[in-house]
Amino acid sequence: QKEVEQNSGPLSVPEGAIASLNCTYSDRGSQSFFWYRQYSGKSPELIMFIYSNGDKEDGRFTAQLNKASQYVSLLIRDSQPSDSATYLCAVSSGSARQLTFGSGTQLTVLP
Amino acid sequence: DVKVTQSSRYLVKRTGEKVFLECVQDMDHENMFWYRQDPGLGLRLIYFSYDVKMKEKGDIPEGYSVSREKKERFSLILESASTNQTSMYLCASRPQGYTEAFFGQGTRLTVV
Repeated sequence: QKEVEQNSGPLSVPEGAIASLNCTYSDRGSQSFFWYRQYSGKSPELIMFIYSNGDKEDGRFTAQLNKASQYVSLLIRDSQPSDSATYLCAVSSGSARQLTFGSGTQLTVLP
Repeated sequence: DVKVTQSSRYLVKRTGEKVFLECVQDMDHENMFWYRQDPGLGLRLIYFSYDVKMKEKGDIPEGYSVSREKKERFSLILESASTNQTSMYLCASRPQGYTEAFFGQGTRLTVV
């Protein structure tokens, strides 16, 4: 069984701080790694994906991948109250590149 | 704009009923997926399909079946609904390659 583990939280940070979200995965054959954001009652929406070791930056978001350690993280700089949501880590593998999700980390950004 | 449409936003069914959840995508994607989402458990894959009439079991297929007669439509079937199938059901589609999956708006199913 492929597993994706996240700290369930909840995680609270003050506005303007850096939020750090972590994820580990068990399947070494995993090919791509995704971070989704899900607001309460809504569908997940993609924030970023990464498939090479190292960092990938997009605006206030930075994804980090370390395949040797089977570890993915998401940093949110200058956190805003609108960033308050559940963040889902997902890992792609298999014939249809199906996504396996972690259970999510609930983030609250305090004004 | 990318669009994945699920037939119902909310659904209430009785135990033992046969339930159909429909999902349609307009992006000509090869791959389609059904997930269920429960508090504390994240999204769990029920079934997926990588081509018309092709289907594979995900992590929790028991009590479910699927149908994909046309490329744009992927149906999830609960043969005999039970209360433990009360959940949020999410459909997603994805083209070949390392790109994102697009989700429908979800169907909140309650089995009473």
